[in-house]
Amino acid sequence: NFMLTQPHSVSESPGKTVTISCTRSSGSIASNYVQWYQQRPGSSPTTVIYEDYQRPSGVPDRLSGSIDSSSNSASLTISGLKTEDEADYYCQSYDSSNRWVFGGGTKLTVL
Amino acid sequence: QITLKESGPTLVKPTQTLSLTCTFSGFSLSTSGVGVGWIRQPPGKALEWLALIYWDGDKRYSPSLKSRLTITKDTSENQVVLTMTNMDPVDTATYYCAHMGHYFDYWGQGTLVTVSS
Repeated sequence: NFMLTQPHSVSESPGKTVTISCTRSSGSIASNYVQWYQQRPGSSPTTVIYEDYQRPSGVPDRLSGSIDSSSNSASLTISGLKTEDEADYYCQSYDSSNRWVFGGGTKLTVL
Repeated sequence: QITLKESGPTLVKPTQTLSLTCTFSGFSLSTSGVGVGWIRQPPGKALEWLALIYWDGDKRYSPSLKSRLTITKDTSENQVVLTMTNMDPVDTATYYCAHMGHYFDYWGQGTLVTVSS
């Protein structure tokens, strides 16, 4: 099975832009959709990006997703950072046998 | 609206078998394309996918835990049950169930299970 590797933490100032990467260890990142989940302390995860770049209703367009086959990675970009964006973010994908994998999570600090 | 809620013991002893129930509403597990999955999260650590059952009864398990897991569904009762054998303190975690359309779009509140003698 493959792994999804994320940076342990990132930090940026309010109003700035931050990008969180998610690198797939084997197999093509483009072969299966990538989702991104936001988890605030003490809460269940919620989806912020699905199917690589789609946003569920209610998720602001400050959040965007992309994939890059050259680096075999997916990215979550948050622009116009707000303190409310401070949370843990997890990428997730699956393999051809429908076995699901989560990344190790990235703690976003908005200082 | 779709809701899910996990229930089960909060404390289990090492070597015991854990049984968790996910009771849901707002959707049917007999609808084509729908699934219910289990995900856990040890305190302060990352999410880990455990198992998934589809509307047609197809099941998927985490390769690393497959030998210890069983997932079943009771469509008439709107429940999905996860059993995990031979529990160990490293299995201490919050266990979530989640609705799967094409991704985990609705999550339960989670239930903390502690493994300790």
